[in-house]
Amino acid sequence: GAVVSQHPSRVICKSGTSVKIECRSLDFQATTMFWYRQFPKQSLMLMATSNEGSKATYEQGVEKDKFLINHASLTLSTLTVTSAHPEDSSFYICSARTRGGEQYFGPGTRLTVT
Amino acid sequence: KQEVTQIPAALSVPEGENLVLNCSFTDSAIYNLQWFRQDPGKGLTSLLLIQSSQREQTSGRLNASLDKSSGRSTLYIAASQPGDSATYLCAVNPEGAQKLVFGQGTRLTINP
Repeated sequence: GAVVSQHPSRVICKSGTSVKIECRSLDFQATTMFWYRQFPKQSLMLMATSNEGSKATYEQGVEKDKFLINHASLTLSTLTVTSAHPEDSSFYICSARTRGGEQYFGPGTRLTVT
Repeated sequence: KQEVTQIPAALSVPEGENLVLNCSFTDSAIYNLQWFRQDPGKGLTSLLLIQSSQREQTSGRLNASLDKSSGRSTLYIAASQPGDSATYLCAVNPEGAQKLVFGQGTRLTINP
């Protein structure tokens, strides 16, 4: 199957700083990528849909100025958590959609804000 | 609004048993349905993708079926092994949409 990578896998940052997470589709081009957030023992919560070359579409309740998404190319999307606070600590997962409609997920990034 | 339900929420069985995980969805207008597994602290691994025109897909010991008209899918796992222990998620891609709608998952434990 197709491979999606995320970097970093774990990050610890201080409150008030910004953190950037990268999502790459390694062996296919993805016009659409997605960013999810997952709390312990819960299912995934979609944060935003990222389309290459256009602005991301955010789900209701997700602050677009806090969670900046850039989809600069067909293989790279980035999520920047700005002015992070402890409540932003979570597991962030990206996915990339193939032309056939299948989605492949990255391994996730564990963010801890102290 | 599409809703996806997975039953049971948790399942524990002895090694070697065959088992079935259930997924139901409220709107039959779907593009496809995917089954994933998630290990603790990890991302999702795609297991099987069924297009709306298909009835089933098989991969090794896994078989997924789709009955679009009744809004149901099942994931059959044959000869279960301890390594199959994980959370299994069902997700549908509604027609006209790009994003997936997930169920809450079934946490499966295979006991040696």
